[in-house]
Order: sequence, then structure tokens, then C-alpha cells
Amino acid sequence: NAGVTQTPKFRILKIGQSMTLQCAQDMNHNYMYWYRQDPGMGLKLIYYSVGAGITDKGEVPNGYNVSRSTTEDFPLRLELAAPSQTSVYFCASSYRGRGGKSNQPQHFGDGTRLSIL
Amino acid sequence: TQLLEQSPQFLSIQEGENLTVYCNSSSVFSSLQWYRQEPGEGPVLLVTVVTGGEVKKLKRLTFQFGDARKDSSLHITAAQPGDTGLYLCAGADRGSTLGRLYFGRGTQLTVWP
Repeated sequence: NAGVTQTPKFRILKIGQSMTLQCAQDMNHNYMYWYRQDPGMGLKLIYYSVGAGITDKGEVPNGYNVSRSTTEDFPLRLELAAPSQTSVYFCASSYRGRGGKSNQPQHFGDGTRLSIL
Repeated sequence: TQLLEQSPQFLSIQEGENLTVYCNSSSVFSSLQWYRQEPGEGPVLLVTVVTGGEVKKLKRLTFQFGDARKDSSLHITAAQPGDTGLYLCAGADRGSTLGRLYFGRGTQLTVWP
């Protein structure tokens, strides 16, 4: 099983450029998440989605956009890259049924390491 | 503001030693999860604790959830180099129906042979 697949693994951008970080999961999970991880800061939630067509902001959404047109894919878009967006980005997914408990584990991809110069 | 405080931030020990990592909060969580992350990879779930006072064991790792469901600890007995990694605790929002997790900053553990 592939699980959660993120592409690319590494990327260097110039200030002001735009790009899309791809995330796909093959576990038929309804919930998907984007986090950024900075050294010594843990994981901060950028955006999340509870199903196709539904997205919402997390803790640090400024400078990012997402879409969820299918259950499998949850791309993250950077429109005008800034040095503050240099980070490692993780996509995660989980499954939750109706009335399900909030302690379902999240499955993570291996991350995209993004540098903005 | 960090909802979950982990300590210590760094831990460097010799093989065979015991250690404890702490995860504390002033908030109550419906559950708490522990993840381990290795370089170049995403976090991987180790355990979920749900009930106040719950203790779970995973080989040499012992996880405990505080009675009030505000804190947790991870104890490793006879640490091995393979235990090296970043340990993250994550609390599930008690009032959320969205499966949201709040992560601590992590404890970077290095175990030397």
C-alpha cells in the first residue's frame, strides 16, 4: 500500500514564485490535513478537509490555498512564495465515520522540503 | 501559544539507560497520541491513550495518560540506538468533530551505542 504520497520531495523556489505541493492517499480516508514543520516547533496545521469539496483553515493558513475535488487528492498551493514559507510540509489523512471518535490516527506522507530564496 | 508542552526538548543518552518524556497541558483532551518521526520521514503513530489514568505498553515503551486527561508521559526502558528519533505528542480536541490534533514541539532523542 502506498498510503500518503507527497510530491515533490524537495524544491527550491525564488521569492514571488508559485507552486503546488501534491498529496494523494489511497486509503479512502475522508479527512486530510496539511501541516508545516519548522525546527523545534512541532507541527502547525495549515488547512484541513473533511471530505471532497469541503476545506477549512487551520492555525497558519496565510499565504496558502487548498482544494479538494476528489477524496484522494489534496493539493496545497503557494501563490507568492516568501522566505517565511521555507519549511517541511506534511500531508496527512485519517478516517472518521459518522459519530466517530476524534482519536483516529493520522497517516503522514514523507514530506516536501521547500526552500524559498 | 503552545497548547502542549513537551520536555525535555533534547535528550542524549547511552544505550541501556532509561528515560521519560513528558507532555503537559492546561487543556483537557479526549485522547492523546504519541508519534515517532525519523529523519526524512513523516511521523508514525506509536500509541493512542483515551482513558484518564490509562497505561499502555509497547515492548520497552510505556505510555501513561494523566487522570485528568491533561498530560501524558512516555517511558523507555533500556534504550537502544534504534529508539533514536523525534517523539511527538498530540492531543485530540475534546470539543471537535473534525479529528483535529494539536502537536507538541517534540523531544529529540539520541541513543548512543
